[in-house]
Amino acid sequence: EAGVVQSPRYKIIEKKQPVAFWCNPISGHNTLYWYRQNLGQGPELLIRYENEEAVDDSQLPKDRFSAERLKGVDSTLKIQPAELGDSAVYLCASSPGQQETQYFGPGTRLLVL
Amino acid sequence: GNSVTQMEGPVTLSEEAFLTINCTYTATGYPSLFWYVQYPGEGLQLLLKATKADDKGSNKGFEATYRKETTSFHLEKGSVQVSDSAVYFCALRNGFQKLVFGTGTRLLVSP
Repeated sequence: EAGVVQSPRYKIIEKKQPVAFWCNPISGHNTLYWYRQNLGQGPELLIRYENEEAVDDSQLPKDRFSAERLKGVDSTLKIQPAELGDSAVYLCASSPGQQETQYFGPGTRLLVL
Repeated sequence: GNSVTQMEGPVTLSEEAFLTINCTYTATGYPSLFWYVQYPGEGLQLLLKATKADDKGSNKGFEATYRKETTSFHLEKGSVQVSDSAVYFCALRNGFQKLVFGTGTRLLVSP
């Protein structure tokens, strides 16, 4: 069974540019998570989806970050415009339901210059 | 609020040595506790978990016991291998709240 797929794996952009990350969760997983992992830190939740509904986006900086999960499957996380402090690894995870084991993708490493 | 504190790394060991990575937590009530492992170039994987006091989670030779009296969930392995080199994250989830991770501990095992 395929795991959580993320692309791109690496992205280098200049500040003020837009960037987007894509995630394809494990088939049948209703819950999808986006995390940000700063260097030397643990992952921190940005947003959680139950099917296509964002049910916890309290940690998402809404002035520049947006996310969508059309049709309740794939998801995209966007930053516009990017700032130097956005350099981090962006992780996507999915689970069959909210309280169940989360399966993580390999992440997208973003460097903002 | 909920938080997890892990020992800082890196932890450097020789193959077949005994491993302990300390983890303590702060939370109200009875959270579930987890250890995740991140191998180089890969995503986080659940290593083991425990959902109530005195539970012992185990997997791949790793063990951790949920100690409510000391609010700890230390990770142990009797004999580490080079292939265990990775970053280990302790985490908790309190009821329906989000997963909260520690800062991670890097383990380096040399032959």
